[in-house]
Amino acid sequence: GENVEQHPSTLSVQEGDSAVIKCTYSDSASNYFPWYKQELGKGPQLIIDIRSNVGEKKDQRIAVTLNKTAKHFSLHITETQPEDSAVYFCAAPSREGAQKLVFGQGTRLTINP
Amino acid sequence: DTAVSQTPKYLVTQMGNDKSIKCEQNLGHDTMYWYKQDSKKFLKIMFSYNNKELIINETVPNRFSPKSPDKAHLNLHINSLELGDSAVYFCASSQVQGSGYTFGSGTRLTVV
Repeated sequence: GENVEQHPSTLSVQEGDSAVIKCTYSDSASNYFPWYKQELGKGPQLIIDIRSNVGEKKDQRIAVTLNKTAKHFSLHITETQPEDSAVYFCAAPSREGAQKLVFGQGTRLTINP
Repeated sequence: DTAVSQTPKYLVTQMGNDKSIKCEQNLGHDTMYWYKQDSKKFLKIMFSYNNKELIINETVPNRFSPKSPDKAHLNLHINSLELGDSAVYFCASSQVQGSGYTFGSGTRLTVV
């Protein structure tokens, strides 16, 4: 089945700097890679996703890059703001049997003012 | 309108009790899920239903029993609660299996 590894587990950056979170996956057939943001006391919220037919996708200050050969994908947040502080999760679909998302271990991002 | 709503938000109960968590989605999605988030924030799937039919049942104690009366509802009943069941339980839905999840706000279950 799919195995998703996420690094780092915690990340602290100065406001205005960039943050990068990386994930690797094991199933070369995986074709969909979402990123979720979880704020305190709330459920994870989809912030950006990428399909395997493209290498990069941007949405304002956030971007996701995908390297299918190396089986890793990354979340990039530029010009970080205090409201970016949250736990971020990557995920990839497990294609064994019925499809489900397998999540990385999460990264706690703290933006220091 | 909340897309995926769970009730209750908090649940504190004693060991050995039986409790239920309810989930409803108004997105018209065909697939619903239950995930468990432990104290280290790890999200692990428990169950998935597609149009009222159980399609994923991970290695979960049979004290946990999901029920889907219709495709907009997926409830979770837990018998004989144990201390280790304490966690946050998230309901989610998607139109396509394995992608585009919308999560509820979670139910924090504390067993004392």
